[in-house]
Amino acid sequence: GESVGLHLPTLSVQEGDNSIINCAYSNSASDYFIWYKQESGKGPQFIIDIRSNMDKRQGQRVTVLLNKTVKHLSLQIAATQPGDSAVYFCAERTGGGNKLTFGTGTQLKVEL
Amino acid sequence: DTAVSQTPKYLVTQMGNDKSIKCEQNLGHDTMYWYKQDSKKFLKIMFSYNNKELIINETVPNRFSPKSPDKAHLNLHINSLELGDSAVYFCASSHNRQTGELFFGEGSRLTVL
Repeated sequence: GESVGLHLPTLSVQEGDNSIINCAYSNSASDYFIWYKQESGKGPQFIIDIRSNMDKRQGQRVTVLLNKTVKHLSLQIAATQPGDSAVYFCAERTGGGNKLTFGTGTQLKVEL
Repeated sequence: DTAVSQTPKYLVTQMGNDKSIKCEQNLGHDTMYWYKQDSKKFLKIMFSYNNKELIINETVPNRFSPKSPDKAHLNLHINSLELGDSAVYFCASSHNRQTGELFFGEGSRLTVL
């Protein structure tokens, strides 16, 4: 089960609404950004990625926006569904070796 | 078939013991990783291997030793376990070392008493 005292930032949305999850990254030299979804009791699952030479990328029901000026990344989920309930992590890559630095995570709760 | 499988899923042990977690991927990927997720859900990379060669070795105690007998396997051995080692350990793999699309296992929850 979950740890006592765990307080992740939480976003609650109604089913069918759009969700926007935000992430601030730290390193202006990061060249690549990824969003992951982690459902309870499972490993993180890749959602979408974006390279630093882009500012927007769309997938199925998801859009990632990158603002390098303010070092901000967002994940937009259209028509949020109950199955979208999970913890969402942004990750940035700086340098070689494919070392990803993950953010703190945001809990998305979808209310029926 | 599970793409990235790790065993055991749960491990409860006493301080001072030595334990191993095994990981196998059947995706044909070149690169494998170990991540640690603490009680606050913070995910941090520990090690990465590319074709059996160590390419990332973060600042972890040398009680932790990864071993990659072949590119489909990456095991994690931990000596002299401490209370602070309690966490969920995730194995992952990726096609190569350029992509950020990692495929994670289901995790191994280690509890040190």
